[in-house]
Amino acid sequence: DIQMTQSPSSLSASVGDGVTITCRASLGISNYLAWFQQKPGKAPKSLIYAASSLQSGVPSKFSGSGSGTDFTLTISSLQPEDFATYYCQQYNSYPYTFGQGTKLEIK
Amino acid sequence: QVQLVESGGGVVQPGRSLRLSCAASGFTFSSYGMHWVRQAPGKGLEWVAVISYDGSNKYYADSVKGRFTISRDNSKNTLYLQMNSLGSEDTAVYYCAKKDTAMVFYYCALDVWGQGTTVTVSS
Repeated sequence: DIQMTQSPSSLSASVGDGVTITCRASLGISNYLAWFQQKPGKAPKSLIYAASSLQSGVPSKFSGSGSGTDFTLTISSLQPEDFATYYCQQYNSYPYTFGQGTKLEIK
Repeated sequence: QVQLVESGGGVVQPGRSLRLSCAASGFTFSSYGMHWVRQAPGKGLEWVAVISYDGSNKYYADSVKGRFTISRDNSKNTLYLQMNSLGSEDTAVYYCAKKDTAMVFYYCALDVWGQGTTVTVSS
């Protein structure tokens, strides 16, 4: 199985800041990488697919990059609604696997 | 709009069975593969199973293989997860999610998720 490792596990930032979350795959997965946002008590929301493509309706403040084993999610100009937990997921091969999550908190 | 609504969760004793359902609307259900993903209390997301648009292909996580069965009824626009021999480790919120590309089984992401249904395994 492909292991996905996110860093950091938690992150504190202020409104208006920009942040970057990293996701590393244990094997090369080309660009078959998605990012999800999850708020407490809610279902995950799809943000990005194919490493860098925004899902419909997702604001351009979210951006993704990477290929192979190393990927990043960048969020610019943080607003209160952006504070949540973020997960990466590989869909290169079954079983699909998620990173352990990065909790983004308000400083 | 695309909507997925899970049901069937509840409290069940260890060793017993439960069947979850996911009712789909707003898209051509019979053209899309579907997933189940779960989340134990306070934990991260765990992929559980996938089924192709026509039900001919299925994969399972090792943690549920041999105990869980994913299926679908395209005439009812409904996805199922039959869960047998339940243990405390299966306590979680279970989400269904839709693949983002029609008629494709490999190399496509999840796009729309349901709101989840909670399964608690306890005596």
